[in-house]
Amino acid sequence: DQQVKQNSPSLSVQEGRISILNCDYTNSMFDYFLWYKKYPAEGPTFLISISSIKDKNEDGRFTVFLNKSAKHLSLHIVPSQPGDSAVYFCAASHTNAGKSTFGDGTTLTVKP
Amino acid sequence: DTAVSQTPKYLVTQMGNDKSIKCEQNLGHDTMYWYKQDSKKFLKIMFSYNNKELIINETVPNRFSPKSPDKAHLNLHINSLELGDSAVYFCASKSVESTDTQYFGPGTRLTVL
Repeated sequence: DQQVKQNSPSLSVQEGRISILNCDYTNSMFDYFLWYKKYPAEGPTFLISISSIKDKNEDGRFTVFLNKSAKHLSLHIVPSQPGDSAVYFCAASHTNAGKSTFGDGTTLTVKP
Repeated sequence: DTAVSQTPKYLVTQMGNDKSIKCEQNLGHDTMYWYKQDSKKFLKIMFSYNNKELIINETVPNRFSPKSPDKAHLNLHINSLELGDSAVYFCASKSVESTDTQYFGPGTRLTVL
């Protein structure tokens, strides 16, 4: 039972355009959501997060949107840069669970 | 100044062998994790320790035994290695005060022949 799903294994965008990465979850107990970025041969690094009391969180070029009724979140990267090419993992957790549940990642390629 | 380090980075071994992967964090975090990333790229939690105590064990075969000598270290020992154990293993840590932001090590690629 995969509680966090990233249905697009890959995404390719042109430099300067918007990248939109999507994530769906099934567990309504989740109340905190995170995005991690992973380069080859490195561990994931934290990118941005959002609490379930918000529907949007912005940090520079990165914005995460949360739609609780649809159990859906998305990561927008504007403008996309070649250095953004990486695997992006969505993760979800709920208070006191002590762990995050990860999606299986979306590989983003930003073409110059 | 590596925050979360793992050794070795690569490990190639024969079926049936016993091997260990070490993890150390210098962030002063209370909680540490082991994850397995298999060929499908899915990051699956295996264990979580808080202040040297096991708090999460996600139905991992008992051939896998984590050991936490102190809260800065969480090692993973694997007995009787099988082909299906081939994967990348990531260690991670977080502060108990943090909502859930984890800091990951660079991963250990284990290949069982």
